[in-house]
Amino acid sequence: SSELTQDPDVSVALGQAVRITCQGDSLRSYYASWYQQKPGQAPVLVIYGKNNRPSGIPDRFSGSTSGNTASLTITGTQAEDEADYYCYSRDMSVNHLLVFGGGTKLTVL
Amino acid sequence: QVRLVQSGSELKKPGASVRVSCKASGYTFTSYAMNWVRQAPGQGLEWMGWISTNTGIPTYAQGFTGRFVFSLDTSVSTAYLQITSLKADDTAVYYCAKDNPVWDGDRGVVLNPVDYWGQGTLVTVSS
Repeated sequence: SSELTQDPDVSVALGQAVRITCQGDSLRSYYASWYQQKPGQAPVLVIYGKNNRPSGIPDRFSGSTSGNTASLTITGTQAEDEADYYCYSRDMSVNHLLVFGGGTKLTVL
Repeated sequence: QVRLVQSGSELKKPGASVRVSCKASGYTFTSYAMNWVRQAPGQGLEWMGWISTNTGIPTYAQGFTGRFVFSLDTSVSTAYLQITSLKADDTAVYYCAKDNPVWDGDRGVVLNPVDYWGQGTLVTVSS
């Protein structure tokens, strides 16, 4: 089982803001990175570090961390943001190796 | 530009072996570790481990020891994943993914986001 816990399903109305969360003890020491995956495609990095966006990622994507919970926030959610989202960080229970969260399916209504 | 190009889909019988290749271009191959990630049908991403492209030393996640082997040919900037004694539940898409270590000055640790992914290789194990 993953040491990073995500809600399996989240929905949001078009144009509204949505927060996707990821919980794990390692997040107190290591920021998560976040990946967007659309059906049939490879994942894409959207946020890493404290709150860094790779070039080409819209500024409606942002990240934050509080205690053992990392959050990915999308403001003004667009239809094309409908996807699976995964957090990724260290696994403190296994020699600080890496681990993905279980993923969150975001539905845009 | 950075590209990771993986080999094509494979159909194998139980007990056989398979090797997936991942050819890198657009950066210095030996400067960044290569991760391998599995995604079973309809399931999430699973970190399998990584290999240091500088030393060739692999690290495997729990559940990926024994039948899974990471290797390199640095002369052609290519990473390989070999899986032996294939089972039906090895059926999945396998991704190579480039590590991008980042120093986090706030917390004094190195973060390891993945910044580039291969297109994925579907391995199907069926009799």
